[in-house]
Amino acid sequence: EPEVTQTPSHQVTQMGQEVILHCVPISNHLYFYWYRQILGQKVEFLVSFYNNEISEKSEIFDDQFSVERPDGSNFTLKIRSTKLEDSAMYFCASSPPGTSTDTQYFGPGTRLTVL
Amino acid sequence: KNEVEQSPQNLTAQEGEFITINCSYSVGISALHWLQQHPGGGIVSLFMLSSGKKKHGRLIATINIQEKHSSLHITASHPRDSAVYICAVARGDTDKLIFGTGTRLQVFP
Repeated sequence: EPEVTQTPSHQVTQMGQEVILHCVPISNHLYFYWYRQILGQKVEFLVSFYNNEISEKSEIFDDQFSVERPDGSNFTLKIRSTKLEDSAMYFCASSPPGTSTDTQYFGPGTRLTVL
Repeated sequence: KNEVEQSPQNLTAQEGEFITINCSYSVGISALHWLQQHPGGGIVSLFMLSSGKKKHGRLIATINIQEKHSSLHITASHPRDSAVYICAVARGDTDKLIFGTGTRLQVFP
């Protein structure tokens, strides 16, 4: 069964460094999302992406964050200058053609630790 | 006040018991999702509902749009059902999902 994959599973970085988190959504999906979950807290929406552009972003998704779909298969989240509070699990998700509120398929997550 | 509230926060059960987890929301929605988060952190989508009731195996999800309430039921619970169950709503005018804080379920043999 097709699945969303994410790499790396765990990323450790120093404060102020740039990180790129990678996701490969399911191949025929059209809607893509990034979420984050700080340890012990609820999942939070970061950004949605459709038709090669951001369709919506949350107040968390400030100028330090960017997303890209560079080659039609990968979907990346970049954090330009990481802060301690960026430490969290980051989940990528995708959903099939239809509507953006269709079932979302989540990747296994990347645990980001900022030291 | 959270836009999505779940109850209970924690739930323990004996194997075989019938489980109910509740979700109430305060915004207009186009869909409600029930998700399962395993102890390792992975998230699996269980149901997406916009009305009525859905069933998959031992899991049943219902939604009452007028009352802004949804329930997730697990029949004949099993220790492998132990996980965090999360309710999330899609507001009608946006793409974003708004998540509840989750219900931690532990089923003991």
